Amino acid sequence: NAGVTQTPKFQVLKTGQSMTLQCAQDMNHNSMYWYRQDPGMGLRLIYYSASEGTTDKGEVPNGYNVSRLNKREFSLRLESAAPSQTSVYFCASSWDRTNNEQFFGPGTRLTVL
Amino acid sequence: DAKTTQPPSMDCAEGRAANLPCNHSTISGNEYVYWYRQIHSQGPQYIIHGLKNNETNEMASLIITEDRKSSTLILPHATLRDTAVYYCIVRVALGAGSYQLTFGKGTKLSVIP
Repeated sequence: NAGVTQTPKFQVLKTGQSMTLQCAQDMNHNSMYWYRQDPGMGLRLIYYSASEGTTDKGEVPNGYNVSRLNKREFSLRLESAAPSQTSVYFCASSWDRTNNEQFFGPGTRLTVL
Repeated sequence: DAKTTQPPSMDCAEGRAANLPCNHSTISGNEYVYWYRQIHSQGPQYIIHGLKNNETNEMASLIITEDRKSSTLILPHATLRDTAVYYCIVRVALGAGSYQLTFGKGTKLSVIP
């Protein structure tokens, strides 16, 4: 099992460009999450999907959209990237919304110039 | 929301027990304590969680005080690979049965040869 995979690993964008970060899990988990981590800080929840077909805002949702494409995949979209969105983005999954043993992907390092 | 306080850094000699403290004095009676760690820019890794009883698994032990206002994560025989940032988290209810893990700055544990 690959666990949680994320693509791309690195990305550089110019201000105003858009992009989609991809996340997939092969553990048959119901819940998936997107976090961002700024230098020297902990992780902050952007959006989560408690189950297939549902998505909800987390702590810092502004500037982002998400899609729970199916049970395996949960994507994060930046419609118009800003330098403040320079960060490392982590995707995670867990068995369900009440089980917080979350499994994390390797992260996507995004720089917005 | 219950918040946690951890020392910013700690050292531990290789082979000795590492005891990482955490204060969560505002924790509510039904809130769980979770511990994760993050090794050098990788995605966080779940370690252990508990409510009121002490817990042990293959990675660590979690000791929660009787009043639940603090806890200690114990790595019984620290190795160099245990060098990481350790996060103590009190999960927060988001509603509709979902919960949020709020990652603070954690404790950077350095295991010294």
